[in-house]
Amino acid sequence: AQRVTQPEKLLSVFKGAPVELKCNYSYSGSPELFWYVQYSRQRLQLLLRHISRESIKGFTADLNKGETSFHLKKPFAQEEDSAMYYCALVYNFNKFYFGSGTKLNVKP
Amino acid sequence: KAGVTQTPRYLIKTRGQQVTLSCSPISGHRSVSWYQQTPGQGLQFLFEYFSETQRNKGNFPGRFSGRQFSNSRSEMNVSTLELGDSALYLCASSGGMGGGAGGNEQFFGPGTRLTVL
Repeated sequence: AQRVTQPEKLLSVFKGAPVELKCNYSYSGSPELFWYVQYSRQRLQLLLRHISRESIKGFTADLNKGETSFHLKKPFAQEEDSAMYYCALVYNFNKFYFGSGTKLNVKP
Repeated sequence: KAGVTQTPRYLIKTRGQQVTLSCSPISGHRSVSWYQQTPGQGLQFLFEYFSETQRNKGNFPGRFSGRQFSNSRSEMNVSTLELGDSALYLCASSGGMGGGAGGNEQFFGPGTRLTVL
């Protein structure tokens, strides 16, 4: 069965510190993975997707098929990164499985 | 382009009633997906409609149904409401064609907050 696990509900770091939000998945086929973000009082929005292999707002995520992980990383956290982050697995065009989310709190 | 809109934004119903929620996608988008968001279960996929046909379905009971119109607008209906149906219902639209295994960027609406008393 498909599953997306985000083990941390809350992650607190200081400004300038590195941050890693963990995401593990379970899927028998070739996964397509995304990170979505929700800033305070804003809508859920796409942050990045693994097939594009790009860096958005300093965030990167690498798909590790051996470890079935898609961790989100940023070398130097900023206060404006504070938000709720969701990892998502998608297959069959648009069938999305979201993880439970990690709240990132970047302290000044 | 105007974003995804959902109406109404808030609803209060009592157990046993039924409710219809509406979603207007971004112009040109043919796929509309619905999600239920609760503190305990997080974001759960309800179903997706593409070109007026249900293309994907999540693991929700038959009380939850939906449809899509020729202009891509979508409605979601919940019959015989239960207390546990209290949630934020999110709608998302996308181009829908996907690539490879699929997965288009989903553009989310603000949600409809349903409270069942």
